[in-house]
Amino acid sequence: DIQMTQSPSSLSASVGDRVTITCRASQSISSYLNWYQQKQGKAPKLLIYAVSSLQGGVPSRFSGSASGTDFTLTISSLQPEDFATYYCQQSYSTPFTFGPGTKVDIK
Amino acid sequence: QVQLQESGPGLVKPSETLSLTCTVSGDSISSYYWSWIRQSPRKGLEWIGYIHYSGITNYSPSLKSRLTTLIDTSKKQFSLKLTSVTAADTAVYYCARFSYDYRFFDLWGRGTLVTVSS
Repeated sequence: DIQMTQSPSSLSASVGDRVTITCRASQSISSYLNWYQQKQGKAPKLLIYAVSSLQGGVPSRFSGSASGTDFTLTISSLQPEDFATYYCQQSYSTPFTFGPGTKVDIK
Repeated sequence: QVQLQESGPGLVKPSETLSLTCTVSGDSISSYYWSWIRQSPRKGLEWIGYIHYSGITNYSPSLKSRLTTLIDTSKKQFSLKLTSVTAADTAVYYCARFSYDYRFFDLWGRGTLVTVSS
């Protein structure tokens, strides 16, 4: 199985801050990397697919990038509705696997 | 508006079978692959498997020996059966739509908590 790790596991930030979350795959996954946002008690919501493509309706302050097996989710200016847990997920090969999540809370 | 809704018992006894159904509304069930994903504090988000209306299935190797999924296009439902459950199968179970072309889960049900306990 491809292992996905994320850092940090949690972070505290203020509204307006630039936030960066990193995800690393245990092997090459090409561009098959997705990001999801999950709010408490809700299902995950697709934010970004194929490393950097924004899902419809997702604000442009969210962006994604990659360098080898390292992937980054960036929120350019954190908004109150962005406080949530973020997960990366590889769909390069089955079993599809998720990262352990990064919880973003209010500083 | 496309929606997914999970249904099934919230409590299952150890060694018994966990059965869940996902109902798809607002879309054709024949157009996508349909997946089950579960989430627990112990294991986080865990992909269980997917099924296509053509009969194609793909299961997580860790669950494959205990897992069956079915799809009923007339009812626009797909289902999951997991046998010989233990406390480790306690989780929130989500059904989700999987786009095979784009390789993402773009639509999720609200999730249903299944507790394995006597």
